[in-house]
Amino acid sequence: GQNIDQPTEMTATEGAIVQINCTYQTSGFNGLFWYQQHAGEAPTFLSYNVLDGLEEKGRFSSFLSRSKGYSYLLLKELQMKDSASYLCAVRDSNYQLIWGAGTKLIIKP
Amino acid sequence: DAGVTQSPTHLIKTRGQQVTLRCSPKSGHDTVSWYQQALGQGPQFIFQYYEEEERQRGNFPDRFSGHQFPNYSSELNVNALWLGDSALYLCASSRDENEQFFGPGTRLTVL
Repeated sequence: GQNIDQPTEMTATEGAIVQINCTYQTSGFNGLFWYQQHAGEAPTFLSYNVLDGLEEKGRFSSFLSRSKGYSYLLLKELQMKDSASYLCAVRDSNYQLIWGAGTKLIIKP
Repeated sequence: DAGVTQSPTHLIKTRGQQVTLRCSPKSGHDTVSWYQQALGQGPQFIFQYYEEEERQRGNFPDRFSGHQFPNYSSELNVNALWLGDSALYLCASSRDENEQFFGPGTRLTVL
């Protein structure tokens, strides 16, 4: 079966750094995506990794290791508006997106 | 440039009824995907339409059907609704394989 694992919930402090991990087991791999979803809203695209390594985009970075079936999303200089769910999704051999359940990130002042 | 739009925003139905949800893709996008998202869960892929045909389908029963029109807009139809169909239904459009843009979703409640 196909499986995406993420922590259910994480708490961090405003201004700090947080790393959200994602491990996956899928039938094939054609890229990994991170999306942000605020409560009651649609997911918005954050990052895409298809090769091993780190992709940096402003305060957000995403890392991929295909051999380990592992990715993380790194958020720096946390702001209160970063409180949201962060979804990891893997595109499998059929080019279907398989989604994790999401990690709810709570930012405290 | 309007992004992905969906209608209606909210919908309440009773068991056994049928529902139609609508989606207009972002300008320039020709592929539309539909997802079901239960509360506290990630989206589950229902199906994808490209060039007016269902290109891929997830693990959903035949009660879930769809259509894509020549202008790339799409509809999701669900027949014989039951309580478990209550969820947020998301439409996402794309032009290439790298990024999907999501609409605001339709919140369906089945009583």
